[in-house]
Amino acid sequence: QVQLVESGGGVVQPGRSLRLSCAASGFTFSTYAMHWVRQAPGEGLEWVAVISYYGNDKYYADSVRGRFTISRDNSKNTLFLQMNSLRPEDTAVYFCARDRTPYDILTGPDYWGQGTLVTVSS
Amino acid sequence: QSALTQPASVSGSAGQSITISCTGTSSDVGGQNYVSWHQQHPGTAPKVMIYEVTNRPSGVSNRFSGSKSGNTASLTISGLQPEDEADYYCSSYTSNSTPYVFGTGTKVTVL
Repeated sequence: QVQLVESGGGVVQPGRSLRLSCAASGFTFSTYAMHWVRQAPGEGLEWVAVISYYGNDKYYADSVRGRFTISRDNSKNTLFLQMNSLRPEDTAVYFCARDRTPYDILTGPDYWGQGTLVTVSS
Repeated sequence: QSALTQPASVSGSAGQSITISCTGTSSDVGGQNYVSWHQQHPGTAPKVMIYEVTNRPSGVSNRFSGSKSGNTASLTISGLQPEDEADYYCSSYTSNSTPYVFGTGTKVTVL
């Protein structure tokens, strides 16, 4: 079965960096695009970024473009999110999610991880 | 990119049907068929209930159905059950600078 397990969250000061990971199993990771989606405490879902199955195409939300970088290691079935210049408004649970259609992109998330909490505070 | 517009809350009695709307623009909901609906119970990960406007993933009850008219997509839950009480989010591909967007979310209450 599809499993996505996020890690790397924690408490970080404003302006600092953090790297999230998402370990995937139960499917052929290298054939699916992958998303990061976040949810601030008590708020709704906000799409953050997506990366194509081969890693060359990357798209970002306006709110994180230039500060966050999505990447993947298909040899290790792992997705990453490098977050730089963090702000208090980046505080959220960060979910990784698989895109629905293999060899495509932006068809919509179908499987989700349980999320990892990032708190940006001094 | 603004979030898609959903009602903040919808309620219904057990056994009844409810419909949740998701209003966007011709750049997102109205412009293509990559519209999904996700269910989220408190403290848990979202779960996709509908994809590509009308399709149900394997294992999702046929009490859930999706449709679209113009720039508005809809999720209908028939025969409402207590376990349907959750938050529901629509999502869509967009042709804007932020290429994917979620709705504002709707809290469903079973009376």
